[in-house]
Amino acid sequence: EAGVTQFPSHSVIEKGQTVTLRCDPISGHDNLYWYRRVMGKEIKFLLHFVKESKQDESGMPNNRFLAERTGGTYSTLKVQPAELEDSGVYFCASSLPGPKGSPLHFGNGTRLTVT
Amino acid sequence: GNSVTQMEGPVTLSEEAFLTINCTYTATGYPSLFWYVQYPGEGLQLLLKATKADDKGSNKGFEATYRKETTSFHLEKGSVQVSDSAVYFCALKISFGNEKLTFGTGTRLTIIP
Repeated sequence: EAGVTQFPSHSVIEKGQTVTLRCDPISGHDNLYWYRRVMGKEIKFLLHFVKESKQDESGMPNNRFLAERTGGTYSTLKVQPAELEDSGVYFCASSLPGPKGSPLHFGNGTRLTVT
Repeated sequence: GNSVTQMEGPVTLSEEAFLTINCTYTATGYPSLFWYVQYPGEGLQLLLKATKADDKGSNKGFEATYRKETTSFHLEKGSVQVSDSAVYFCALKISFGNEKLTFGTGTRLTIIP
């Protein structure tokens, strides 16, 4: 079984530019999460999709961040315009559906550097 | 709110040494507790978990016991190996069906031969 795939693995952009991160969850995983780790600090929750619907986006830092999951398959996270403080590692994770939850499977992350 | 405080690193140990990485938590409710590990170049992997007080999670020689009285979930291993070098994250989760995790800052562990 293929794991959670994130693309790109690294991205270096200038302040003010736009970047789009992509996450392909494990097939059949309705739940998709985005997390990020900034400057070696704690990993923080950004948002949670159930299929194509945003279940919880309470962790999104501001309106420069836009997440989508059209068709309930892969997800994108767009940062526009990027700021220096957006630098960090963005993790995607997915899990099976169900009321009792299931283990999270994480991707390798996208390291974003804004200069 | 919910928070996790874990031992700051980096931690460097010699092979076969005893390892303890401290983790304490604050939670509104009754959390499940986790340790995740990130090996170099890889994503986060669940190492072990405990869902109720006094439960002991264990995997790959690592152990952690859910201590409600001290709100702690310290990670231990009796004899570490070079292959254990990684970043370790303590985390908690409150709700069922929602894997919204609250993580600590991570502890980088380096084991030297």
